[in-house]
Amino acid sequence: SQQGEEDPQALSIQEGENATMNCSYKTSINNLQWYRQNSGRGLVHLILIRSNEREKHSGRLRVTLDTSKKSSSLLITASRAADTASYFCATDLVKAAGNKLTFGGGTRVLVKP
Amino acid sequence: DAGVIQSPRHEVTEMGQEVTLRCKPISGHNSLFWYRQTMMRGLELLIYFNNNVPIDDSGMPEDRFSAKMPNASFSTLKIQPSEPRDSAVYFCASSFSRGLEQYFGPGTRLTVT
Repeated sequence: SQQGEEDPQALSIQEGENATMNCSYKTSINNLQWYRQNSGRGLVHLILIRSNEREKHSGRLRVTLDTSKKSSSLLITASRAADTASYFCATDLVKAAGNKLTFGGGTRVLVKP
Repeated sequence: DAGVIQSPRHEVTEMGQEVTLRCKPISGHNSLFWYRQTMMRGLELLIYFNNNVPIDDSGMPEDRFSAKMPNASFSTLKIQPSEPRDSAVYFCASSFSRGLEQYFGPGTRLTVT
């Protein structure tokens, strides 16, 4: 599988429920980032977690990082219809040159009102 | 700040024609990235620049693709000659420093008939 694989590929929930998606990667990272993409738009940065951090919060977003398992999770609490989007994880690899990020395939989230 | 600016937003052209996509990064950012997004292949990094110098062009599909960054505020991605399989959304993104968040433009939707 590719570096930065999200799971599940698609997720459908009711408004008010929590949405959880996961990202796995293969090699050592400096940091891991999550992005959101609304239909027809560019990606928007949500949150960055460094390799020495285990958990980070931003509003209704909670990100965890487990470097021993090479995995991260993004939790969206109390979801809203406006959270409907695709979510991507991106890794800043230790061995990557420059500022290159490696993006996963994304999780499509549908929040039904 | 106006964010990353891309032009045109939509481009429809015939096979064999030359296509030029343009990008203006956020002022002060020293890294610029060109991505291509399709349903089949997801988000692919084509090439990226640090301080106007191409660092990694391994994602450029073939010689028909070329990119330039003549100065810190402008970049172009050219496809010559274009083919139907080049149809995709092309994103430009910029970043201030190594591994930090990238800011995406709205994308150019290219259709080659």
